[in-house]
Amino acid sequence: EAGVTQFPSHSVIEKGQTVTLRCDPISGHDNLYWYRRVMGKEIKFLLHFVKESKQDESGMPNNRFLAERTGGTYSTLKVQPAELEDSGVYFCASSRGGSTNEKLFFGSGTQLSVL
Amino acid sequence: AQSVTQPDIHITVSEGASLELRCNYSYGATPYLFWYVQSPGQGLQLLLKYFSGDTLVQGIKGFEAEFKRSQSSFNLRKPSVHWSDAAEYFCAVAPYSSYKLIFGSGTRLLVRP
Repeated sequence: EAGVTQFPSHSVIEKGQTVTLRCDPISGHDNLYWYRRVMGKEIKFLLHFVKESKQDESGMPNNRFLAERTGGTYSTLKVQPAELEDSGVYFCASSRGGSTNEKLFFGSGTQLSVL
Repeated sequence: AQSVTQPDIHITVSEGASLELRCNYSYGATPYLFWYVQSPGQGLQLLLKYFSGDTLVQGIKGFEAEFKRSQSSFNLRKPSVHWSDAAEYFCAVAPYSSYKLIFGSGTRLLVRP
């Protein structure tokens, strides 16, 4: 069984540019989560999809961030325009169900550097 | 506000020595508690979790953790550390039985040969 896959593994962009991160969850997992870790601090929740619907986007920092999950399969997280403080590691995770009785699987993350 | 504190940013232990990583949480009720590990280039992997029942939980790779309600702690332990345990360890809380996790800032473990 393939795990959660994230592309790219690293991205270096300049301030003001646009970057799109992609996450492919495990097949059959309706629940998809985005988290990020900024500057070695704690990992913070960004949002939660159930299939193609945003269940909870309370962690999205501002309107420069746009997450989509068209068709309920893979998800993208776009940052436009990127700012210096957006640098960090963006993690995606997926689970079959939405409760903590299910196991959550994490991808290896995308390291984003905004210069 | 709910929070998780991992007071040790770095810990260095010798191979074969015992290990304890500290985790304290702030939450009104008994939360769902987790320990994750991240090895270089890998995603976060679940070591163990506590929901209810026996306060000493066993996990993978020989790790265990003990929930102490009176101290709001969920410390991770291993009796004998292996070089392959060198990684970053994260304690997390799930306040609402969902995966809107609240993480601590992580503890990086270095293992001396």
